[in-house]
Amino acid sequence: AQSVTQPDIHITVSEGASLELRCNYSYGATPYLFWYVQSPGQGLQLLLKYFSGDTLVQGIKGFEAEFKRSQSSFNLRKPSVHWSDAAEYFCAVGSYSGGGADGLTFGKGTHLIIQP
Amino acid sequence: NAGVTQTPKFQVLKTGQSMTLQCAQDMNHNSMYWYRQDPGMGLRLIYYSASEGTTDKGEVPNGYNVSRLNKREFSLRLESAAPSQTSVYFCASSRNLMVGTNSPLHFGNGTRLTVT
Repeated sequence: AQSVTQPDIHITVSEGASLELRCNYSYGATPYLFWYVQSPGQGLQLLLKYFSGDTLVQGIKGFEAEFKRSQSSFNLRKPSVHWSDAAEYFCAVGSYSGGGADGLTFGKGTHLIIQP
Repeated sequence: NAGVTQTPKFQVLKTGQSMTLQCAQDMNHNSMYWYRQDPGMGLRLIYYSASEGTTDKGEVPNGYNVSRLNKREFSLRLESAAPSQTSVYFCASSRNLMVGTNSPLHFGNGTRLTVT
C-alpha cells in the first residue's frame, strides 16, 4: 500500500525567508502527487500537482515542488514566504493503477508558522 | 462561485443522537467524497461516490452512511453518534474519479462535529 510521510509536524520561518516542506512517499509504481494548503477554518486548496513530465512543477501563490524519483520525494518550496502563508500543508499521493481518488493517501500535515 | 458547500459549519451532538451532514457542489462534478480530519492523522476517506447512483466505502466507513441524492448533492449520516466520531468532516468533489487525469479534488470548508 502507498504511504506518505511529512517528517516535520511544525516549521517556523521568518517572513521573507525561503521555505522547504518535505514529503516522502512509498509506492512501487509511478505516483501522482499533490500539495494542498489549509488555512484556519477553511477547506483544503490545491497548490500544485505532478502527473508526469517535467519534474519541477509550478503552483499557485509562488510555490513550486520537485519530484525526485530516486529519493521518493516531492518537496514543496517557496523563495520568500509571506505572513499569509501561515497554514497547514498536506502532501498527497495516488496511483494510476489503483484507481482514482479512492486510492489517494494524505500525509499528516506540516503546520507552518511565520515569524515577523 | 460557490464550489463545494457544506452545512452545518458546527454541530454538537450527544452520544446516540443522529444527524446528517449536507454537501452540494455546483461544478458539475461526477465524483464526490467525504473525509474526516483528526489531529495528527491527516485526512481519511469515509465514503465516496464515483458518479450519480453509486457509493463505495473508503478507509473508515464504520458508523456512517451516505446518500448521493443527485449529481450535486452527497450527504453523510451518523445514525448513532459516538465520541470517537468527534472530528472535522470535509466534503470534496472532482470532475471524475481518476484524479490522475487532471481532475483534482475541490474541498468544502468543513463541518466541525463534537460528540459528548
